[in-house]
Amino acid sequence: QKEVEQNSGPLSVPEGAIASLNCTYSDRVSQSFFWYRQYSGKSPELIMSIYSNGDKEDGRFTAQLNKASQYVSLLIRDSQPSDSATYLCAVNTGNQFYFGTGTSLTVIP
Amino acid sequence: DAGVIQSPRHEVTEMGQEVTLRCKPISGHNSLFWYRQTMMRGLELLIYFNNNVPIDDSGMPEDRFSAKMPNASFSTLKIQPSEPRDSAVYFCASSLAEHNEQFFGPGTRLTVL
Repeated sequence: QKEVEQNSGPLSVPEGAIASLNCTYSDRVSQSFFWYRQYSGKSPELIMSIYSNGDKEDGRFTAQLNKASQYVSLLIRDSQPSDSATYLCAVNTGNQFYFGTGTSLTVIP
Repeated sequence: DAGVIQSPRHEVTEMGQEVTLRCKPISGHNSLFWYRQTMMRGLELLIYFNNNVPIDDSGMPEDRFSAKMPNASFSTLKIQPSEPRDSAVYFCASSLAEHNEQFFGPGTRLTVL
């Protein structure tokens, strides 16, 4: 089992809709969680970090963490074509930093 | 701040040649990470340093790969000899501390012919 699992997609949503990206992790002692956005041919860019259970909102982005279910998600409200990218989930277990393989998101105008 | 700086941005070399990739972390960051990204394997951590000391090099593929961090503002990743299967994008990232958010450089696209 991989440390971090993501659905590779592709996920397609119409412009203005909510995009929901999901991530599960295997190590229960994981301490911190991150979402990165990566445009094709570019480097990963940090979007959100979350450390405690619940929701964390930043503009159109909301990260949700449920440690009991070992689940972290990213919601993108009012999706825009410029949100089309690969989204990487990352988990810090305290000893190691693991990235998922990413979910490809396409926002259709 | 200039962000993480990597050089070269692109490198094309022939099999058997030595390749050296360079990274300058964000000033004040104490941790530095080297990653490799391919379509097949995604983003893989190769090695990371904390306060210039290598902490975990378990991701280094084999002895052909080596990394150094002689000071807080410079690190190198060397491949000697290079092979076609080393072709990938190599990213350097830095963070304030080893468990904090990581910030990535633009990457070096390596092609080994």
